[in-house]
Amino acid sequence: DAGITQSPRHKVTETGTPVTLRCHQTENHRYMYWYRQDPGHGLRLIHYSYGVKDTDKGEVSDGYSVSRSKTEDFLLTLESATSSQTSVYFCAISPGGTGTYEQYFGPGTRLTVT
Amino acid sequence: QQQVKQSPQSLIVQKGGISIINCAYENTAFDYFPWYQQFPGKGPALLIAIRPDVSEKKEGRFTISFNKSAKQFSLHIMDSQPGDSATYFCAASKAPGYSTLTFGKGTMLLVSP
Repeated sequence: DAGITQSPRHKVTETGTPVTLRCHQTENHRYMYWYRQDPGHGLRLIHYSYGVKDTDKGEVSDGYSVSRSKTEDFLLTLESATSSQTSVYFCAISPGGTGTYEQYFGPGTRLTVT
Repeated sequence: QQQVKQSPQSLIVQKGGISIINCAYENTAFDYFPWYQQFPGKGPALLIAIRPDVSEKKEGRFTISFNKSAKQFSLHIMDSQPGDSATYFCAASKAPGYSTLTFGKGTMLLVSP
């Protein structure tokens, strides 16, 4: 998984509780992304980061926030989890730079909100 | 608005046969088209990718065919094997660097022995 770890790998939480998912990379890649995967929807971008402290919203950002204080770590926070946020969350990284398009995905975190 | 449409949703192919998955896109600004392979419980893995300046790219048994005028691209898996059974996603992005991928909804491929 291209030097990417995600934690936790599985989590069950209750509606209304805050949840933070962590993505850690050892590749020193500049760009990091959070996607969610749901049956029938493929993968959808939540937020992405193009450098330390530089982040932007993706297609399905409502209810999520992110932070990146170090190159290697990208955190995804659900401020108040809802059942609609039950999903599998994937982090991806990309080296960036001219002509560099590839994104590499982590192993995922399965989140269940009850 | 779905910017990348993928078909079929599922596909069953006999061992040794050719698997074909199709994608169509709407945004002419897309200029990078990867395919990802995903096994159950794993993250998507980059399989093969193409830029619009070529019409075909081959890597082993996997080939991407690209038709810029029709805004379509497809994945062909030659001599399909049971180990190829997985979900395949096409995607597209507009720029290098912090390119954000737009994915199709996926195709579940089953290769029967």
